[in-house]
Amino acid sequence: KAGVTQTPRYLIKTRGQQVTLSCSPISGHRSVSWYQQTPGQGLQFLFEYFSETQRNKGNFPGRFSGRQFSNSRSEMNVSTLELGDSALYLCASSVGGSGASSYEQYFGPGTRLTVT
Amino acid sequence: AQKITQTQPGMFVQEKEAVTLDCTYDTSDQSYGLFWYKQPSSGEMIFLIYQGSYDEQNATEGRYSLNFQKARKSANLVISASQLGDSAMYFCAMRRGSNYKLTFGKGTLLTVNP
Repeated sequence: KAGVTQTPRYLIKTRGQQVTLSCSPISGHRSVSWYQQTPGQGLQFLFEYFSETQRNKGNFPGRFSGRQFSNSRSEMNVSTLELGDSALYLCASSVGGSGASSYEQYFGPGTRLTVT
Repeated sequence: AQKITQTQPGMFVQEKEAVTLDCTYDTSDQSYGLFWYKQPSSGEMIFLIYQGSYDEQNATEGRYSLNFQKARKSANLVISASQLGDSAMYFCAMRRGSNYKLTFGKGTLLTVNP
């Protein structure tokens, strides 16, 4: 079974631009979560989608948004980029139900975003 | 608020020896889950092991085991027979209730020496 894939792997943008990152979950997984990882703040939760609905949201400004498609693929968008948005963005997929194994989250390789 | 504490910023271990990475957590929820992930320098987060709060047995996956002590709110990761490829950052994380949001600790950098 293929793992979680994220595209692109690397991205360089300038301040003020917007960016869209993509995540394809493991086949059969319906929950996709996004995390931001920086040296200063560590790993922080952005949001989680299940069956095209946002179930949970972290404490990030409205410039960060996401969506999920009917095939469970997810995208996140960051508008009006700031230097502080430079980070590794990780997505994680899980089955999404309520059984014990449903909570296991598998991460993709990440997208490394650099804002100049 | 839920919190994960990893008190060891860095650990060193000799190849083939066992090592324990510490993790304590703080939550008032009865239902929660604890995870350990490995992050090599490449950046990918690799799922190692999961323990639910109602699981009576400690979770094990190959060379990894989770020493779950509920009363002490600790969930230490034990790696047996360390290998050079185990050198990486290790993160402890927690979810609560039926929520999928993970709260992570700051991580422990493990170095395995030959």
